[in-house]
Amino acid sequence: DTAVSQTPKYLVTQMGNDKSIKCEQNLGHDTMYWYKQDSKKFLKIMFSYNNKELIINETVPNRFSPKSPDKAHLNLHINSLELGDSAVYFCASSFPGGTEAFFGQGTRLTVV
Amino acid sequence: GDSVTQMEGPVTLSEEACLTINCTYTATGYPSLFWYVQYPGEGLQLLLKATKADDKGSNKGFEATYRKETTSFHLEKGSVQVSDSAVYFCALRDSSASKIIFGSGTRLSIRP
Repeated sequence: DTAVSQTPKYLVTQMGNDKSIKCEQNLGHDTMYWYKQDSKKFLKIMFSYNNKELIINETVPNRFSPKSPDKAHLNLHINSLELGDSAVYFCASSFPGGTEAFFGQGTRLTVV
Repeated sequence: GDSVTQMEGPVTLSEEACLTINCTYTATGYPSLFWYVQYPGEGLQLLLKATKADDKGSNKGFEATYRKETTSFHLEKGSVQVSDSAVYFCALRDSSASKIIFGSGTRLSIRP
């Protein structure tokens, strides 16, 4: 059973398009995250949701809009894609407090 | 704000060599500390964790000890294998417990 699953795994699209990445977790966690990993492998948090409420937005351009329909899902919609958006996007989830996060397999987004 | 600094890579070792990857952190309060591993083409997996000072996390022959006095959480393994080749990330859960902050990652390559 996949704990944190995100789709698609690969996404190639043209500049200016709008795309979505979906994430679901079956671990019963309350908190979900989106991270961006750049070409140098650096991981930076983008958003954090707790029980469907946004708690962190790390100065991400407003072209990125997360949506959490319920606490098991956190989707990421990106408008007007730019070349610089090319990266691997990871979804993760955890219980609140000082616990570890569990990560999905990542979505490699390539904007051409 | 909270931050993690880890040894820059890449690190290349021969099989059965000893490994140390240094990690230090800056944080208010008492964060939980983690090592994550990312194998080629895969997502992040938790390797080990420690939640309070002097705790030792261990898994798959890897160990790290939470040292509050030196604000360090160095990753060690006595005898590395080719299958340990991956990128290793040191991380902490910040004092507000709302996000996990990652170091820049260390690429480890093991020669047969």
